[in-house]
Amino acid sequence: EIVLTQSPGTLSLSPGERATLSCRASQSVSSSYLAWYQQKPGQAPRLLIYDASSRATGIPGRFSGSGSGTDFTLTISRLEPEDFAVYFCQHYGGSPYSFGQGTKLEI
Amino acid sequence: EVQLVESGGGLVQPGRSLRLSCAASGFTFDDYAVHWVRQAPGKGLEWVSGISLNSGSTGYADSVKGRFTISRDNAKNSLYLQMNSLRAEDTALYYCAKATSLLSVFDLWGRGTLVTVSS
Repeated sequence: EIVLTQSPGTLSLSPGERATLSCRASQSVSSSYLAWYQQKPGQAPRLLIYDASSRATGIPGRFSGSGSGTDFTLTISRLEPEDFAVYFCQHYGGSPYSFGQGTKLEI
Repeated sequence: EVQLVESGGGLVQPGRSLRLSCAASGFTFDDYAVHWVRQAPGKGLEWVSGISLNSGSTGYADSVKGRFTISRDNAKNSLYLQMNSLRAEDTALYYCAKATSLLSVFDLWGRGTLVTVSS
């Protein structure tokens, strides 16, 4: 089973700043199977990035994903007020599908 | 509107059973694999189970294997999760999510149904 470890646990930034979130896998992951989701309180997760670097439909260009092997990054270039939420990475290359523990992005 | 709506959650005693449902609309249900993912209060996401578009393949997390059974009825555009021998640690918000295949990203999630296991 692939274990995903996200860092930091909490990231405190201000609107307009750049956010960099990390996801590290316990073993090499095909980039084709790495996703990022955003979750706001009381809401279901929303897909942001798939295949490590492809933006999902309707996701603003300030969100970008990168990485390969065991190290992946989600970058939000200029934070908007609505971006403050919890972010999860996920490996979806087959059962069991693993999630990172999440990074809380707070103002 | 493309959506998934979960139902069937509630308060149940340890050792008892519960069946969750997920109703799909706005898309061709039998073109997609579907999954159950849960989130314990204040915790992260845990994949529970997934099923291929024609029910030919299923998978389970070790934590629920042998107790939970996933199924789908494409004629009714519905996904199910039969949960037996429930434990306190099964308490969570249960989401259904769809994917193009069992090797695809979860591109749409429902809003979840809450299962509480307590005496």
